[in-house]
Amino acid sequence: AQKITQTQPGMFVQEKEAVTLDCTYDTSDQSYGLFWYKQPSSGEMIFLIYQGSYDEQNATEGRYSLNFQKARKSANLVISASQLGDSAMYFCAMRVGSARQLTFGSGTQLTVLP
Amino acid sequence: NAGVTQTPKFQVLKTGQSMTLQCAQDMNHEYMSWYRQDPGMGLRLIHYSVGAGITDQGEVPNGYNVSRSTTEDFPLRLLSAAPSQTSVYFCASSSRGVPQHFGDGTRLSIL
Repeated sequence: AQKITQTQPGMFVQEKEAVTLDCTYDTSDQSYGLFWYKQPSSGEMIFLIYQGSYDEQNATEGRYSLNFQKARKSANLVISASQLGDSAMYFCAMRVGSARQLTFGSGTQLTVLP
Repeated sequence: NAGVTQTPKFQVLKTGQSMTLQCAQDMNHEYMSWYRQDPGMGLRLIHYSVGAGITDQGEVPNGYNVSRSTTEDFPLRLLSAAPSQTSVYFCASSSRGVPQHFGDGTRLSIL
């Protein structure tokens, strides 16, 4: 069975600074994908970034980057130059093999301070 | 530009009542799924479908039924509502190589 662990229930960051949100995963499959979603207080789930297990380079999408360390089974999200609008709940999720189902972590509540 | 549409957005039920949460997508995605999100937790998979006529159970399927008669629609039925089913329900769809698109959620309260 696969598992996603997010050990930071809450994080604070000053506006314009970078922040790293931790995510570790557990699976015995060699083929998997890792996702990060943002959930603002309005409740919708917004896809941010994806990393495949065979991707050699870390994924980047604008201010978001994924620090993928396969040996450590970690897939941390890095947000550069934080903005007030980044305040939200962030979820790490995993998809294994050819399955489409996602397994989610418990989330990290990020608060950006002015 | 609808994407994934869920109705209703809010619903209050009494214990024992039944209801159907609607989900429709206009992206021709073959894969659709239902998740529930309880306070302080991530999303947990209830049921999913890999195409019309094909459904399967996820992590927490008890008390819920699904069907997939068309590519576009994937309704979730609560057979006999219980307070433990109070949650926020999300429908999602995807296609090969495409990350899951989520609907805006349905907030369901069971009294």
